[in-house]
Amino acid sequence: AQSVTQPDIHITVSEGASLELRCNYSYGATPYLFWYVQSPGQGLQLLLKYFSGDTLVQGIKGFEAEFKRSQSSFNLRKPSVHWSDAAEYFCAVGVPQAGTALIFGKGTTLSVSS
Amino acid sequence: DTGVSQDPRHKITKRGQNVTFRCDPISEHNRLYWYRQTLGQGPEFLTYFQNEAQLEKSRLLSDRFSAERPKGSFSTLEIQRTEQGDSAMYLCASSLHATGPLYEQYFGPGTRLTVT
Repeated sequence: AQSVTQPDIHITVSEGASLELRCNYSYGATPYLFWYVQSPGQGLQLLLKYFSGDTLVQGIKGFEAEFKRSQSSFNLRKPSVHWSDAAEYFCAVGVPQAGTALIFGKGTTLSVSS
Repeated sequence: DTGVSQDPRHKITKRGQNVTFRCDPISEHNRLYWYRQTLGQGPEFLTYFQNEAQLEKSRLLSDRFSAERPKGSFSTLEIQRTEQGDSAMYLCASSLHATGPLYEQYFGPGTRLTVT
């Protein structure tokens, strides 16, 4: 069965420092992978997605993610974090057999310190 | 594009009551999904529609849960005989499915259900 693991429940990063959020997936075929962000009181917003091709994908708000098939990983990165990036981040895999419904990880809460 | 809307945003109900939530997708989107999100967890897929057809419902949590999309536009999610364990955020998302590249799902703000 498909699953997503986000090993870090909570991460604190200083403003201006770099960020990497980890995501590991379990899926038999080539996965459809996504990163979403959820701010308090806001809906889920798509940051970036991977379907095929270039394994380094660029997203909105300066985020990028790298797909590594050998490690079953899709880690999210940002070179310099801003205070407004504080939010909850979810990694997800799409399930084609269910209309590409999304299977989400439990999320990582990002806090940004000044 | 006015986004996905959900109504109500908050619902408090007593155990044993029935509740119904509404989702209005982005107008040209033909797929509509329902998810549930409990505290400290990621969203959990429940069911989806393509136009008016419900193509996956095996992941609905129990037979107390049902969903409809009668004319392929808005959708409703009903929970009968609510239990305290049903307290959660219920999220709706929509997407445009067509041949070719995958289209992203756009999420609504959710309906927060509290069962007392």
